[in-house]
Amino acid sequence: SQQGEEDPQALSIQEGENATMNCSYKTSINNLQWYRQNSGRGLVHLILIRSNEREKHSGRLRVTLDTSKKSSSLLITASRAADTASYFCATARSYNTDKLIFGTGTRLQVFP
Amino acid sequence: NAGVTQTPKFQVLKTGQSMTLQCAQDMNHEYMSWYRQDPGMGLRLIHYSVGAGITDQGEVPNGYNVSRSTTEDFPLRLLSAAPSQTSVYFCASSRPKGGLFFGEGSRLTVL
Repeated sequence: SQQGEEDPQALSIQEGENATMNCSYKTSINNLQWYRQNSGRGLVHLILIRSNEREKHSGRLRVTLDTSKKSSSLLITASRAADTASYFCATARSYNTDKLIFGTGTRLQVFP
Repeated sequence: NAGVTQTPKFQVLKTGQSMTLQCAQDMNHEYMSWYRQDPGMGLRLIHYSVGAGITDQGEVPNGYNVSRSTTEDFPLRLLSAAPSQTSVYFCASSRPKGGLFFGEGSRLTVL
């Protein structure tokens, strides 16, 4: 069974706009991670946020985590056509990331 | 740096055939894992390993075997292929507390 569910399933925006994707999960976690997958390629790790953190930034990415609501959001600011990809959240129940449970993903399309 | 290398990239099997998907990493990562990705299902964990000689089952292990004789290699064996195993398979490696590094995937079709 999937631990994470992303919302929306698909998102289309224009270049320069911000894109927000949400992830909800079911059980307690140690950390939550976001990955990007370009069409036909492997996943690329974007950012990891631990359960005792509320917000984290990396370049144009901003991730928030609300453990009381069991939810996280990924914000991509000033999006570019190159950001077109699928984005997945993944949760780890232990401090070690040996077993990640992935969500079903959000497909982001950024139009130039 | 090659990172995580998977072979083959594409494979077509007939029902009942066996095969091995190869995975190698050159980052000296302790952890390695295999996932399958099906449309609308996200990634599901098949087997994982926290070090040489140590393996364990993930969410969907049936029909697959793994072994980890070295830190670098983590092959996935399909014992008797079934159409339900048609999927894209991803191998990943990581340090214990870091993000996963993924290979480019192996696309398997079972007829």
